[in-house]
Amino acid sequence: EIVLTQSPGSLSLSPGERATLSCRASQSVDSNYLAWYQQRPGQAPRLLIYTASTRATGIPDRFSGSGSGTDFTLTISRLEPEDFAMYYCHQYAFSPRAFGQGTRLEIQ
Amino acid sequence: QVQLVQSGPEVRKAGASVKVSCKTSGDTFTGYYMHWVRQAPGQGLEWMGWIHPNTGGTKYAQKFEGRVTLTRDTSISTGYMEVNRLTYDDTAVYYCTSPGYYDGSYKDYWGQGTLVTVSS
Repeated sequence: EIVLTQSPGSLSLSPGERATLSCRASQSVDSNYLAWYQQRPGQAPRLLIYTASTRATGIPDRFSGSGSGTDFTLTISRLEPEDFAMYYCHQYAFSPRAFGQGTRLEIQ
Repeated sequence: QVQLVQSGPEVRKAGASVKVSCKTSGDTFTGYYMHWVRQAPGQGLEWMGWIHPNTGGTKYAQKFEGRVTLTRDTSISTGYMEVNRLTYDDTAVYYCTSPGYYDGSYKDYWGQGTLVTVSS
């Protein structure tokens, strides 16, 4: 069973700044089947990135994903007010699937 | 556009069971796995399991084996998630999701969530 560990647990930044979120897997994620989700309060999660680096349909290009194997990164190049939310990584290479514990992105 | 519509909020006593439904619009129901994910208040996302609507095959996270059952009714494009022997720790929003390649790109459709509250 793969365990995903996200860091930091919370991140306090200002609009316009760059955010870097990390996700480390306990074993290699085959085919880079690693996704990133955004969740705003009271809403269902929204897919941002799949296969580690491919933006989902309709996702702005300020969101980018990178990494392979066990280390993955989500970067938001210039934060917009609507980007302050929870972010989760998710591996879908193996069953059981797993989510990281999340990173809370807060307005400074 | 695929839509997943879940049943409404539920309140149950500890020890009881609850069954949540998830209806898929369109004609894609049998082609994609349906997953269930839950989120306790103020907590993160927890994957529970999946069902393949075409075959009925299932896979569960180990902590839910024997207590959670996923089923489906293909005639009405609906999946079901039943939790038995509820405890207070089962209070959560339960989501159904349908990830996969739709029209050539990977998407993940989510239901609106169903709040299950376990009371004394």
